[in-house]
Amino acid sequence: DARVTQTPRDKVTEMGQEVTMRCQPILGHNTVFWYRQTMMQGLELLAYFRNRAPLDDSGMPKDRFSAEMPDATLATLKIQPSEPRDSAVYFCASGLGKGLAGGNTGELFFGEGSRLTVL
Amino acid sequence: GDSVTQMEGPVTLSEEAFLTINCTYTATGYPSLFWYVQYPGEGLQLLLKATKADDKGSNKGFEATYRKETTSFHLEKGSVQVSDSAVYFCALRSNTGFQKLVFGTGTRLLVSP
Repeated sequence: DARVTQTPRDKVTEMGQEVTMRCQPILGHNTVFWYRQTMMQGLELLAYFRNRAPLDDSGMPKDRFSAEMPDATLATLKIQPSEPRDSAVYFCASGLGKGLAGGNTGELFFGEGSRLTVL
Repeated sequence: GDSVTQMEGPVTLSEEAFLTINCTYTATGYPSLFWYVQYPGEGLQLLLKATKADDKGSNKGFEATYRKETTSFHLEKGSVQVSDSAVYFCALRSNTGFQKLVFGTGTRLLVSP
């Protein structure tokens, strides 16, 4: 049963520490999204990759956040240094994007999320 | 830019009641529209979708019709169950540009026995 896998599921850390979250997209999917969910802001798009290339990271605080795809089976989201306001659930999602000519189903498959608490 | 507006929750209903969750959108062109559901402690799952005007998406007793004239995609179910308690997200995907999904803020549904 194909699914998006995220690690860690829960992370508690202290302010100033580096946090790295990892995501394994579904095999064959070529789009990867990072979302952050909080009670106050809802779902916020942080970064979006297609074929491992970053297409949109306008929602991500550049001074402390970075997102990469070292290869097609791994996406990472790093926060350095972390702050209490970064406390949230971070979701990774993957899908199939065939480009403007081919279209795509639009369906995203979400992981179970990484709950981050920064003290 | 593209945006989605959902009714605020929580929506509280008794079992077997009729459900409507309103969703309107702003987008250029002809976006595809989606409803996702999030159960407690889980990620979002696709519930239904519609890709062009007048299409009706349906799944698990839920329905939504793509209304271009009113830019709406309201979610309905004729008889809710306790197991439907979750957060429901309306979303759109533009068919131009980067085609990213834009979500609404979510509406929490609470169904009591």
